[in-house]
Amino acid sequence: EIVLTQSPATLSLSPGERATLSCRASQSISSYLTWYQQKPGQAPRLLIYDASNRATDIPARFSASGSGTDFTLTISSLEPEDIAVYYCQQRKNWPLTFGGGTKVEI
Amino acid sequence: QVQLQQSGPGLVKPSQTLSLTCAVSGDSVSSNSASWNWIRQSPSRGLEWLGRTYYRSKWYNDYAVSVKSRITINADTSKNQFSLQLNSVTPEDTAVYYCARDRGVLVPAEFDYWGQGTLVTVSS
Repeated sequence: EIVLTQSPATLSLSPGERATLSCRASQSISSYLTWYQQKPGQAPRLLIYDASNRATDIPARFSASGSGTDFTLTISSLEPEDIAVYYCQQRKNWPLTFGGGTKVEI
Repeated sequence: QVQLQQSGPGLVKPSQTLSLTCAVSGDSVSSNSASWNWIRQSPSRGLEWLGRTYYRSKWYNDYAVSVKSRITINADTSKNQFSLQLNSVTPEDTAVYYCARDRGVLVPAEFDYWGQGTLVTVSS
């Protein structure tokens, strides 16, 4: 099973600051990585697929990069509505697995 | 616009069967370009993919090893919905359960639409 390790666990920033979230895979997953945003009391929302492609209606301040084992999600200028937990997920191998999440606070 | 609407009880007794349904609108559960998944989330296990059903000329299922002996996922094309049954539940099965669509055709892709989630508590 591929283990995804996200860091940091919590990120405390101010509005307008840049947020950088990390996801590391226990083995190479090429670019088969997805990012989700989950706000309190809501289901996860698709943000980024295939490591760097923004999903429909996702603002341009969200970007992502990486391949192999190391991936990054960047929020260029934090907005109050970006308060959420962000999860990565791999689809390279079965079972599909998720990271433990990074909580972004403002 | 695709929408997934979950229904089912929020409380299940230990050793009994957890049953949830996910009604789909805006797409067909018989689609050849999607699969229909159940995912759960708990503080102890995080997000955990449980299984899926999909139609590619016939119906297929894939299940997580952790629940394979206890899980059944079925589709009801007449109602355009799919369901989860998890047998012999214990308190460790307490979680928020989500249904979700995966838009992958030949291989898994990403979960682009999710149900609203159902908190299921296993307790006597």
